[in-house]
Amino acid sequence: DAGVTQSPTHLIKTRGQQVTLRCSPKSGHDTVSWYQQALGQGPQFIFQYYEEEERQRGNFPDRFSGHQFPNYSSELNVNALLLGDSALYLCASSRRTGLPNYGYTFGSGTRLTVV
Amino acid sequence: AQTVTQSQPEMSVQEAETVTLSCTYDTSESDYYLFWYKQPPSRQMILVIRQEAYKQQNATENRFSVNFQKAAKSFSLKISDSQLGDAAMYFCAYRAGGTSYGKLTFGQGTILTVHP
Repeated sequence: DAGVTQSPTHLIKTRGQQVTLRCSPKSGHDTVSWYQQALGQGPQFIFQYYEEEERQRGNFPDRFSGHQFPNYSSELNVNALLLGDSALYLCASSRRTGLPNYGYTFGSGTRLTVV
Repeated sequence: AQTVTQSQPEMSVQEAETVTLSCTYDTSESDYYLFWYKQPPSRQMILVIRQEAYKQQNATENRFSVNFQKAAKSFSLKISDSQLGDAAMYFCAYRAGGTSYGKLTFGQGTILTVHP
């Protein structure tokens, strides 16, 4: 049973550029959440997607946007990159429908470095 | 807004000994869930243990147990018989109740070192 897959694992971008990160949820999961984790800090919630719509959003600017596809996979897009966007980006999937499921499955993240 | 605070940036323990990691949280809600996650150098967050706020009994998972003090808004993790593989960053996290899919609010983390 495949867990959460994120790509790429590492990425280096130049300030001002745009980046797209990808996430495939665990089999059977239909909800995808994205988190930003600065070095030595706890993850911060960016947003959550379900049924191809953004359902919850954290305190992040509009430069951060996302998308969910019919197969439940998701993309995180960041425009006009700033040095402060350098972080580990984590994707977490969960199951919104059916029986209550407390479980979030996390991927290993994408390490984004902005230079 | 909910907040989660871990006041111990670093902790260390000898192999086979017991260590307790502290966590406090602030919320005005009565229905919520609390979690401890482990993040090894592989970066993947791994669920260690969870606690439903409506349950008075403290959760236990093998060598891991929690001390949940709802009135004090405290949620500590006890690791018994520590093993080298327990070394990692540990995060305490909160999620509001009512659904199974709400956002997680994390603390700042505690780095646990296990000495052989």
